[in-house]
Amino acid sequence: DGGITQSPKYLFRKEGQNVTLSCEQNLNHDAMYWYRQDPGQGLRLIYYSQIVNDFQKGDIAEGYSVSREKKESFPLTVTSAQKNPTAFYLCASREVATKETQYFGPGTRLLVL
Amino acid sequence: AQSVAQPEDQVNVAEGNPLTVKCTYSVSGNPYLFWYVQYPNRGLQFLLKYITGDNLVKGSYGFEAEFNKSQTSFHLKKPSALVSDSALYFCAVRDGGGGRRALTFGSGTRLQVQP
Repeated sequence: DGGITQSPKYLFRKEGQNVTLSCEQNLNHDAMYWYRQDPGQGLRLIYYSQIVNDFQKGDIAEGYSVSREKKESFPLTVTSAQKNPTAFYLCASREVATKETQYFGPGTRLLVL
Repeated sequence: AQSVAQPEDQVNVAEGNPLTVKCTYSVSGNPYLFWYVQYPNRGLQFLLKYITGDNLVKGSYGFEAEFNKSQTSFHLKKPSALVSDSALYFCAVRDGGGGRRALTFGSGTRLQVQP
């Protein structure tokens, strides 16, 4: 899992609650990504960020929000608007300047109470 | 839009036998292709990638992949499977240039290596 940490490992959300998933990297990578993984499916892109203070919606951004105030941190908030949040969430980072490989953190499993 | 297909949900192979996990792709332009492996409740580990050059790409843990442009395939191979290779394998293609460079993943293939 390299130099990317995600916390917590498991997270429980109650109805109507916002929860925040942490992603930190010490690889000095510029780009960071959030993906969602559901059983039997590949990963789907939620949000991505190329540089600090900039981020873009991915393919399934509805019900999620992010911030990128520091290069090493890219937290994801799952809002109450996300009606089906139960999934495995994976954060990744990539060194820019034509480096293509993304490296992934260990993931956070979000469950709804 | 870019896409990848992994036609097998599961592949079973005996330890010591060669293994192949299949992947086909659809892209506009030159393909940037990747293989990742995932162990239960873990993140994805990078195995190898094809950007350009030799059609046979060597990666981590003895894995290799063969890029075939005419068949739009990028199959993952290993000459001799180990029980510890049992895991979920994902093929992916780069989706978008510039700063996005996200990955579009296949649905995954579960590899089961029997002792």
